[in-house]
Amino acid sequence: KQEVTQIPAALSVPEGENLVLNCSFTDSAIYNLQWFRQDPGKGLTSLLLIQSSQREQTSGRLNASLDKSSGRSTLYIAASQPGDSATYLCAVNAGGTSYGKLTFGQGTILTVHP
Amino acid sequence: NAGVTQTPKFRILKIGQSMTLQCTQDMNHNYMYWYRQDPGMGLKLIYYSVGAGITDKGEVPNGYNVSRSTTEDFPLRLELAAPSQTSVYFCASSYVSLYNEQFFGPGTRLTVL
Repeated sequence: KQEVTQIPAALSVPEGENLVLNCSFTDSAIYNLQWFRQDPGKGLTSLLLIQSSQREQTSGRLNASLDKSSGRSTLYIAASQPGDSATYLCAVNAGGTSYGKLTFGQGTILTVHP
Repeated sequence: NAGVTQTPKFRILKIGQSMTLQCTQDMNHNYMYWYRQDPGMGLKLIYYSVGAGITDKGEVPNGYNVSRSTTEDFPLRLELAAPSQTSVYFCASSYVSLYNEQFFGPGTRLTVL
């Protein structure tokens, strides 16, 4: 059974810092991995999706990497801003007959203070 | 496009009551999913559907039922509500493609007292 773990559970940083959020998964047979942002009381917003054949994806100040063989992904946020404060979730898609079902980590709560 | 919409946003139920959570998507997506999120936890899959008339159980299906009569709608039915079903419920959809990116609705916050 696939298990997804995110470290740290919470992170507080001053504005302007570069930071890394970690996601690990137990079964390397994945189709893709998706990073989401969740604001308090809101739904999930997709940030980046990395296919299993890719090593990284970038969007603005965000960069996500994937090392499938070691079961790890990282989300790098450059020059953090208070508006980046949210919960960040990673989720893996096993593909094939899993029909796109996602297995989620428990999330990292990020606080960026001015 | 409105994307994925869910109603209601909030609901309080008494133990033993029933209700239906509505989910609609206007992106012509084949796949639809229901997840629940308990406080401080990630999301767990309740049920999913790969097309109209086809549904299957996810990780935590007990106490729930679904149906999918159209591509757009995927309602989740709670029968005999229990306090353990207090949670935030998210509906999601995706298109069958190389990427299978999922798009989520805003959620329904349900409390069972």
